[in-house]
Amino acid sequence: AQTVTQSQPEMSVQEAETVTLSCTYDTSESDYYLFWYKQPPSRQMILVIRQEAYKQQNATENRFSVNFQKAAKSFSLKISDSQLGDAAMYFCASAPNSGYALNFGKGTSLLVTP
Amino acid sequence: GAGVSQSPRYKVAKRGQDVALRCDPISGHVSLFWYQQALGQGPEFLTYFQNEAQLDKSGLPSDRFFAERPEGSVSTLKIQRTQQEDSAVYLCASSLGPGAHSNQPQHFGDGTRLSIL
Repeated sequence: AQTVTQSQPEMSVQEAETVTLSCTYDTSESDYYLFWYKQPPSRQMILVIRQEAYKQQNATENRFSVNFQKAAKSFSLKISDSQLGDAAMYFCASAPNSGYALNFGKGTSLLVTP
Repeated sequence: GAGVSQSPRYKVAKRGQDVALRCDPISGHVSLFWYQQALGQGPEFLTYFQNEAQLDKSGLPSDRFFAERPEGSVSTLKIQRTQQEDSAVYLCASSLGPGAHSNQPQHFGDGTRLSIL
């Protein structure tokens, strides 16, 4: 079984600043994937970034990067140069390589202020 | 279409009524998933299809929930004798390949918001 914990219900960042969203997970799987999804008020869940657990190098997608600490089972998301359009709910999720269901955390609501 | 399409976008039903929610996945996508998202929570897995085969229905909360994908494309999630606790957003997602490989991202629809009165 996999569980995902997001301890920050809400976060706030000023435009152009950097913010880090926290995520910890627990799994008995040896091979798994970790994800960050963004859900704007329109509800469509959008994949932000993906990390394969066997890769030590942290994934990066433009302004979004992760800090993957496998031993600590931590997977935080860093958003650089925050933009107003980044405001949304952010969900951390995990999935075993042998399975398919995504296991989501409860989410962090990110507010971006001008 | 270009993305995953779900209908209706909103559904209001009286307790005890049956409802049917539709999902049109991205054309050619083998895998299809249903998730339930309660207010203020993350989505929770309900069921998974690979083409027309329902390979995992472990997340369905009760036998009142039934899903099908008879021709391996469009899927319907049916809820019989609805209860107030069924109120949630129901999300559908599809991915290109067989679901055993999580390196293939899931593409989500906008969801159906179901309200049971």
